[in-house]
Amino acid sequence: DAKTTQPNSMESNEEEPVHLPCNHSTISGTDYIHWYRQLPSQGPEYVIHGLTSNVNNRMASLAIAEDRKSSTLILHRATLRDAAVYYCILRANKLVFGAGTILRVKS
Amino acid sequence: DTEVTQTPKHLVMGMTNKKSLKCEQHMGHRAMYWYKQKAKKPPELMFVYSYEKLSINESVPSRFSPECPNSSLLNLHLHALQPEDSALYLCASSQTTGVEKLFFGSGTQLSVL
Repeated sequence: DAKTTQPNSMESNEEEPVHLPCNHSTISGTDYIHWYRQLPSQGPEYVIHGLTSNVNNRMASLAIAEDRKSSTLILHRATLRDAAVYYCILRANKLVFGAGTILRVKS
Repeated sequence: DTEVTQTPKHLVMGMTNKKSLKCEQHMGHRAMYWYKQKAKKPPELMFVYSYEKLSINESVPSRFSPECPNSSLLNLHLHALQPEDSALYLCASSQTTGVEKLFFGSGTQLSVL
C-alpha cells in the first residue's frame, strides 16, 4: 500500500481557512486520493476524493499537485465542529488509514 | 437512508465468552468492511466482503470470525478473545470495492476482561 505523510497536528482559528497538507510521493497512477475525518467518539466520515483534477464539494476542496505527489485539503471556513483527525488515504482496492492530522480549532 | 448501524454500542466480555457484533446497511452496497481501532490510533482494516464473499483477510487471528449472511448484514463472531483485543470495532460499507467512498458506523466499543 502506498504511504501518505501528514503533519501530526495543526491549529486553526475559527472562521479562517485551513490547508491540510499530505505527501504521497509513491502514489501509483490508479490510486485515488481520499480524505476522511473522524470526530471524537464517532466513526470516520468521508470528506472528499479525487484522482488528478482539483475537486470541490459542500464540505471542502481538494487541491492535487500536477505530479500527484502531494495534495491539500482545504476547509474554507473552519468551525469548532471541524475539530477532528483528518486522514489522507490512497485508495486502490482497499482503504488503509495512516496516522492522520489532529486539527484543533480555536474560538 | 445513508446509515450504517452497529450493535451493540458497548460490549464487555470475558476471555472464555462467545459474542457477536452486528452491522447493517440498507443502501444497497455490495462491499462491507470490518476495521479495528485502538485508542488514539488510526483504524486498521481487518476484513473486506464483496458481494457476500470474503475478499480480503488482513491476517486476522481466527478468534475473529466474520460472516456476511446477506448483502445488508455483516457479523463479527468473537471467541476466546484476549484483553489486547479490547478496541473500537468499526463497520463500513461502499457501493463496491472500487474507489467509491465508505460509509462508517459509529462502532462497537469492546472490552475484554
